[in-house]
Amino acid sequence: RKEVEQDPGPFNVPEGATVAFNCTYSNSASQSFFWYRQDCRKEPKLLMSVYSSGNEDGRFTAQLNRASQYISLLIRDSKLSDSATYLCAVNLDYKLSFGAGTTVTVRA
Amino acid sequence: GAGVSQSPSNKVTEKGKDVELRCDPISGHTALYWYRQSLGQGLEFLIYFQGNSAPDKSGLPSDRFSAERTGGSVSTLTIQRTQQEDSAVYLCASSPNAGEETQYFGPGTRLLVL
Repeated sequence: RKEVEQDPGPFNVPEGATVAFNCTYSNSASQSFFWYRQDCRKEPKLLMSVYSSGNEDGRFTAQLNRASQYISLLIRDSKLSDSATYLCAVNLDYKLSFGAGTTVTVRA
Repeated sequence: GAGVSQSPSNKVTEKGKDVELRCDPISGHTALYWYRQSLGQGLEFLIYFQGNSAPDKSGLPSDRFSAERTGGSVSTLTIQRTQQEDSAVYLCASSPNAGEETQYFGPGTRLLVL
């Protein structure tokens, strides 16, 4: 079983829609959690950290469910510029394990 | 301020040759990481440096791979006797400290082994 698993998608959504997807992790001792955004042929860039209480950054909401070992990302009012691959990352003992990414395509 | 930089941005080599990839972390960041990303795949951890501690090499796929970090700053990843399966994007990241700090990635080196 992979340490971090994501639905690869793609999620094709119209502008203005809400899209949400999850990421599961296998090691219950994992310490911290992140969502990264990766555009085609670019490096990953940190989108947001994920806190136990859940957190919001503009149109983006991240949540952590330790009991079920998953994190989620919700994007409201999708923009064309949100089209990207979203990687979840899980930190255990200073090493990040990444999922393979969820591709989101927002269409006009 | 300046981010993580990597060179070269692209490298094409022949099977069996050695290659060196360079990473300049963000100034003051003590932790440095190397990852590999194959086409359509997630990032695969390779090696981690933290200050003057011994590096964590647990992710290196074979003994053809090695890395150094001189003076606690610049790092070089070396791949000896390259194979076609080594073709990937090699990404370097740095963070202020190890542990829960977020990591900041460089633009990567795209390696193609013919």
